[in-house]
Amino acid sequence: NAGVMQNPRHLVRRRGQEARLRCSPMKGHSHVYWYRQLPEEGLKFMVYLQKENIIDESGMPKERFSAEFPKEGPSILRIQQVVRGDSAAYFCASSPQGPTDTQYFGPGTRLTVL
Amino acid sequence: AQTVTQSQPEMSVQEAETVTLSCTYDTSESDYYLFWYKQPPSRQMILVIRQEAYKQQNATENRFSVNFQKAAKSFSLKISDSQLGDAAMYFCAYRSSTSGTYKYIFGTGTRLKVLA
Repeated sequence: NAGVMQNPRHLVRRRGQEARLRCSPMKGHSHVYWYRQLPEEGLKFMVYLQKENIIDESGMPKERFSAEFPKEGPSILRIQQVVRGDSAAYFCASSPQGPTDTQYFGPGTRLTVL
Repeated sequence: AQTVTQSQPEMSVQEAETVTLSCTYDTSESDYYLFWYKQPPSRQMILVIRQEAYKQQNATENRFSVNFQKAAKSFSLKISDSQLGDAAMYFCAYRSSTSGTYKYIFGTGTRLKVLA
Protein backbone atom coordinates (compact mmCIF):
# COMPACT_ATOMS: atom_id res chain seq x y z
CA ASN A 1 0.00 0.00 0.00
CA ALA A 2 1.74 3.12 -1.23
CA GLY A 3 1.95 6.00 1.19
CA VAL A 4 0.73 9.53 0.71
CA MET A 5 2.29 10.97 -2.43
CA GLN A 6 3.02 14.58 -3.09
CA ASN A 7 4.41 16.26 -6.16
CA PRO A 8 6.44 18.03 -7.00
CA ARG A 9 8.88 17.56 -4.14
CA HIS A 10 10.52 20.88 -4.91
CA LEU A 11 8.92 23.84 -6.64
CA VAL A 12 10.53 27.15 -7.48
CA ARG A 13 8.40 30.11 -8.45
CA ARG A 14 9.01 33.79 -9.01
CA ARG A 15 6.96 36.37 -7.19
CA GLY A 16 3.56 36.77 -8.80
CA GLN A 17 3.42 33.29 -10.34
CA GLU A 18 1.05 30.53 -9.37
CA ALA A 19 2.00 27.40 -7.43
CA ARG A 20 0.01 24.16 -7.66
CA LEU A 21 0.81 21.43 -5.18
CA ARG A 22 -0.64 17.95 -5.58
CA CYS A 23 -1.43 15.29 -3.01
CA SER A 24 -2.58 11.73 -3.63
CA PRO A 25 -3.82 10.17 -0.40
CA MET A 26 -3.21 6.60 0.58
CA LYS A 27 -5.43 4.07 -1.11
CA GLY A 28 -8.78 3.93 0.60
CA HIS A 29 -8.34 7.29 2.32
CA SER A 30 -10.93 9.93 1.56
CA HIS A 31 -9.86 12.59 4.06
CA VAL A 32 -7.04 14.98 3.26
CA TYR A 33 -5.36 17.62 5.38
CA TRP A 34 -2.84 20.27 4.36
CA TYR A 35 -0.24 21.70 6.71
CA ARG A 36 2.43 24.35 6.23
CA GLN A 37 5.84 24.32 7.83
CA LEU A 38 7.73 27.58 7.88
CA PRO A 39 11.51 27.43 8.46
CA GLU A 40 12.43 26.37 11.99
CA GLU A 41 8.79 25.91 12.97
CA GLY A 42 6.38 23.05 13.47
CA LEU A 43 3.61 22.17 11.06
CA LYS A 44 0.50 24.32 11.14
CA PHE A 45 -2.92 23.18 9.97
CA MET A 46 -4.31 24.86 6.86
CA VAL A 47 -7.32 22.97 5.52
CA TYR A 48 -9.26 19.72 5.81
CA LEU A 49 -11.07 18.24 2.82
CA GLN A 50 -13.17 15.25 2.03
CA LYS A 51 -13.99 14.23 -1.48
CA GLU A 52 -15.49 17.28 -3.22
CA ASN A 53 -15.96 19.13 0.06
CA ILE A 54 -13.96 21.59 2.11
CA ILE A 55 -14.69 20.80 5.74
CA ASP A 56 -12.48 23.33 7.48
CA GLU A 57 -10.24 25.97 5.93
CA SER A 58 -9.75 28.00 9.08
CA GLY A 59 -5.96 27.76 8.86
CA MET A 60 -5.70 28.94 5.30
CA PRO A 61 -4.91 32.57 4.42
CA LYS A 62 -8.04 34.29 3.18
CA GLU A 63 -6.50 35.49 -0.06
CA ARG A 64 -4.52 33.78 -2.80
CA PHE A 65 -4.83 30.28 -1.29
CA SER A 66 -7.37 27.68 -2.31
CA ALA A 67 -7.72 23.91 -2.05
CA GLU A 68 -9.78 21.26 -3.70
CA PHE A 69 -10.22 17.51 -3.58
CA PRO A 70 -12.19 16.43 -6.62
CA LYS A 71 -14.08 13.21 -6.99
CA GLU A 72 -11.35 11.91 -9.25
CA GLY A 73 -7.70 12.77 -8.96
CA PRO A 74 -5.44 14.27 -6.35
CA SER A 75 -6.06 17.06 -3.92
CA ILE A 76 -4.65 20.38 -5.12
CA LEU A 77 -3.38 23.27 -3.02
CA ARG A 78 -3.19 26.35 -5.18
CA ILE A 79 -1.35 29.54 -4.32
CA GLN A 80 -1.89 32.47 -6.63
CA GLN A 81 0.49 35.41 -7.01
CA VAL A 82 3.08 33.90 -4.71
CA VAL A 83 5.16 36.10 -2.42
CA ARG A 84 8.45 35.35 -0.67
CA GLY A 85 6.60 34.70 2.58
CA ASP A 86 4.91 31.70 0.97
CA SER A 87 8.25 29.89 0.88
CA ALA A 88 7.74 26.88 3.09
CA ALA A 89 7.26 23.13 3.11
CA TYR A 90 3.68 22.08 2.49
CA PHE A 91 2.62 18.73 3.82
CA CYS A 92 -0.40 16.69 2.99
CA ALA A 93 -1.81 14.02 5.27
CA SER A 94 -4.63 11.56 4.80
CA SER A 95 -6.80 9.38 6.99
CA PRO A 96 -9.12 6.52 6.12
CA GLN A 97 -12.36 6.81 8.02
CA GLY A 98 -12.51 10.29 9.32
CA PRO A 99 -10.96 12.98 11.44
CA THR A 100 -10.48 10.81 14.50
CA ASP A 101 -8.11 8.48 12.67
CA THR A 102 -4.37 8.82 12.71
CA GLN A 103 -3.16 11.03 9.88
CA TYR A 104 -0.41 9.73 7.62
CA PHE A 105 1.86 12.34 6.14
CA GLY A 106 3.36 12.67 2.71
CA PRO A 107 6.96 13.76 2.06
CA GLY A 108 5.99 17.37 1.52
CA THR A 109 6.57 19.92 -1.22
CA ARG A 110 9.19 22.55 -0.63
CA LEU A 111 8.14 25.78 -2.27
CA THR A 112 10.77 28.43 -2.86
CA VAL A 113 9.69 31.85 -4.06
CA LEU A 114 12.41 33.91 -5.66
CA ALA B 1 -6.52 26.76 22.97
CA GLN B 2 -4.12 23.89 23.14
CA THR B 3 -0.40 24.47 22.88
CA VAL B 4 2.62 22.20 22.57
CA THR B 5 6.05 23.25 23.79
CA GLN B 6 9.38 21.67 23.01
CA SER B 7 11.95 23.58 25.00
CA GLN B 8 15.05 21.89 23.57
CA PRO B 9 15.87 23.24 20.10
CA GLU B 10 18.77 20.82 19.77
CA MET B 11 20.09 17.73 21.53
CA SER B 12 23.12 15.52 21.00
CA VAL B 13 23.65 11.91 21.95
CA GLN B 14 26.51 9.49 21.55
CA GLU B 15 25.81 6.46 19.41
CA ALA B 16 24.44 3.55 21.50
CA GLU B 17 23.53 5.89 24.36
CA THR B 18 20.08 6.94 25.55
CA VAL B 19 18.51 10.36 25.06
CA THR B 20 15.25 11.91 26.25
CA LEU B 21 13.41 14.62 24.35
CA SER B 22 11.00 16.80 26.30
CA CYS B 23 7.51 17.90 25.40
CA THR B 24 4.89 19.69 27.45
CA TYR B 25 1.42 20.66 26.42
CA ASP B 26 -1.47 22.67 27.67
CA THR B 27 -5.08 21.59 27.40
CA SER B 28 -8.27 21.64 29.40
CA GLU B 29 -9.48 18.42 27.83
CA SER B 30 -9.27 15.06 29.53
CA ASP B 31 -9.11 12.86 26.47
CA TYR B 32 -6.71 13.37 23.61
CA TYR B 33 -3.87 11.83 21.64
CA LEU B 34 -0.19 12.63 21.70
CA PHE B 35 2.32 11.79 19.01
CA TRP B 36 6.00 11.91 18.28
CA TYR B 37 7.00 12.36 14.65
CA LYS B 38 10.46 12.07 13.19
CA GLN B 39 11.49 14.28 10.28
CA PRO B 40 14.81 13.21 8.72
CA PRO B 41 16.62 15.36 6.14
CA SER B 42 14.30 13.93 3.49
CA ARG B 43 11.56 15.92 5.30
CA GLN B 44 9.22 12.93 5.36
CA MET B 45 7.13 12.98 8.52
CA ILE B 46 7.35 9.55 10.11
CA LEU B 47 5.11 8.53 12.99
CA VAL B 48 7.32 7.25 15.79
CA ILE B 49 4.87 6.63 18.59
CA ARG B 50 1.32 7.43 19.64
CA GLN B 51 -0.23 7.66 23.10
CA GLU B 52 -3.89 7.79 24.06
CA ALA B 53 -4.40 9.97 27.11
CA TYR B 54 -6.86 7.56 28.71
CA LYS B 55 -4.21 4.84 28.80
CA GLN B 56 -2.00 4.90 31.84
CA GLN B 57 0.54 2.56 30.33
CA ASN B 58 3.34 4.31 28.46
CA ALA B 59 3.56 3.46 24.77
CA THR B 60 6.66 1.72 23.45
CA GLU B 61 7.91 0.92 19.97
CA ASN B 62 11.14 -1.03 19.94
CA ARG B 63 13.87 1.42 21.02
CA PHE B 64 11.39 4.27 21.45
CA SER B 65 9.32 4.79 24.56
CA VAL B 66 7.45 7.64 26.15
CA ASN B 67 7.07 8.91 29.68
CA PHE B 68 3.52 10.21 29.79
CA GLN B 69 2.71 12.25 32.89
CA LYS B 70 -0.88 13.36 32.44
CA ALA B 71 -1.14 15.49 35.56
CA ALA B 72 2.05 17.31 34.68
CA LYS B 73 1.04 17.48 30.99
CA SER B 74 4.38 16.09 30.01
CA PHE B 75 5.12 13.66 27.17
CA SER B 76 8.81 12.91 26.78
CA LEU B 77 10.38 10.56 24.24
CA LYS B 78 13.19 8.23 25.21
CA ILE B 79 15.40 6.77 22.52
CA SER B 80 17.53 3.87 23.68
CA ASP B 81 20.65 2.51 21.95
CA SER B 82 20.74 5.55 19.67
CA GLN B 83 21.72 4.94 16.07
CA LEU B 84 23.07 7.25 13.42
CA GLY B 85 19.78 6.91 11.55
CA ASP B 86 17.95 8.44 14.49
CA ALA B 87 19.42 11.84 13.63
CA ALA B 88 16.47 14.01 12.65
CA MET B 89 14.04 16.67 13.80
CA TYR B 90 11.54 15.31 16.27
CA PHE B 91 8.13 16.88 16.65
CA CYS B 92 5.68 16.38 19.45
CA ALA B 93 2.03 16.75 18.45
CA TYR B 94 -1.34 16.91 20.17
CA ARG B 95 -4.78 16.08 18.88
CA SER B 96 -8.06 16.29 20.70
CA SER B 97 -10.22 13.19 20.69
CA THR B 98 -13.42 15.22 20.71
CA SER B 99 -15.65 14.09 17.88
CA GLY B 100 -15.07 16.16 14.80
CA THR B 101 -11.66 17.48 15.79
CA TYR B 102 -8.70 16.63 13.65
CA LYS B 103 -6.17 19.41 13.79
CA TYR B 104 -2.77 18.30 14.88
CA ILE B 105 -0.99 20.90 16.97
CA PHE B 106 2.75 20.61 16.64
CA GLY B 107 5.62 21.84 18.76
CA THR B 108 8.54 23.64 17.19
CA GLY B 109 10.71 20.55 17.16
CA THR B 110 13.98 19.28 18.61
CA ARG B 111 16.92 18.60 16.34
CA LEU B 112 18.68 15.41 17.45
CA LYS B 113 22.30 14.86 16.50
CA VAL B 114 23.83 11.42 16.93
CA LEU B 115 27.60 11.39 17.39
CA ALA B 116 29.62 8.44 16.15
